[in-house]
Amino acid sequence: DTGVSQDPRHKITKRGQNVTFRCDPISEHNRLYWYRQTLGQGPEFLTYFQNEAQLEKSRLLSDRFSAERPKGSFSTLEIQRTEQGDSAMYLCASSLSRSDEKLFFGSGTQLSVL
Amino acid sequence: GIQVEQSPPDLILQEGANSTLRCNFSDSVNNLQWFHQNPWGQLINLFYIPSGTKQNGRLSATTVATERYSLLYISSSQTTDSGVYFCAVEKKTSYDKVIFGPGTSLSVIP
Repeated sequence: DTGVSQDPRHKITKRGQNVTFRCDPISEHNRLYWYRQTLGQGPEFLTYFQNEAQLEKSRLLSDRFSAERPKGSFSTLEIQRTEQGDSAMYLCASSLSRSDEKLFFGSGTQLSVL
Repeated sequence: GIQVEQSPPDLILQEGANSTLRCNFSDSVNNLQWFHQNPWGQLINLFYIPSGTKQNGRLSATTVATERYSLLYISSSQTTDSGVYFCAVEKKTSYDKVIFGPGTSLSVIP
C-alpha cells in the first residue's frame, strides 16, 4: 500500500496559464475527492468521484476548474486561466465505499499564481 | 448545507496536560472523522467515529450523534501532538461528500 500520491508537490505559474495536477489514489479505493485549502482554513470540498463517475462538484467551483478520472484510477484536476485567488494547497483523498469509509489524504500540490 | 463548528479555535498546552476538543454539527450525519494536520501539512486520519467511543493510545473520541457533537480527548500531550485538528462529517444524500470544520490549532510547549 503506497498511499495517496500527488504530483507535482509545488507548482508556480503566471496568471492566465493553465495548470494540471495528478492524483493516484490507494489502489483498491473507488472513491476519490479533491479539496482546496488556504492558510488557516479547513479543506474545502471541490469535487468527488465514485469510480470514473464525477458525482458532485461544489457550487462554489468556477467553470475554469475541471476534473477527470478516466477508468476509475488516477485523477487529474485542471485549472484554466489561473488567477491569483487560485493560489492554495490542492489536496486529493481516497476512500473505500464500505462500512469504514476513512479518508486518506495525499501530501497535496501547493499552487502559487504570480 | 450542513454546518460544522469546532472549539476552541486555538489551544496552548504544557507538555503532559490533557485537553478536550469539540465538534458540533447542524444536521444528522452518517459518519464523522477526526484528522490531525501536522506542521508539514499532512492530514492524518485519527478516527472514523459515526457514533460511540473509540480509543487509540493517548487519543480517544466520542460521538453523540443524537445530540450532534463529537469530542476528541488528548491525554498526556506531547510536542508532536501540535498541529491542527479537524473534524469532518458526511451526510448521505444523493451523492456523498465530506465537509470539514474550521479546525482547532493546538500548540504543545515543553
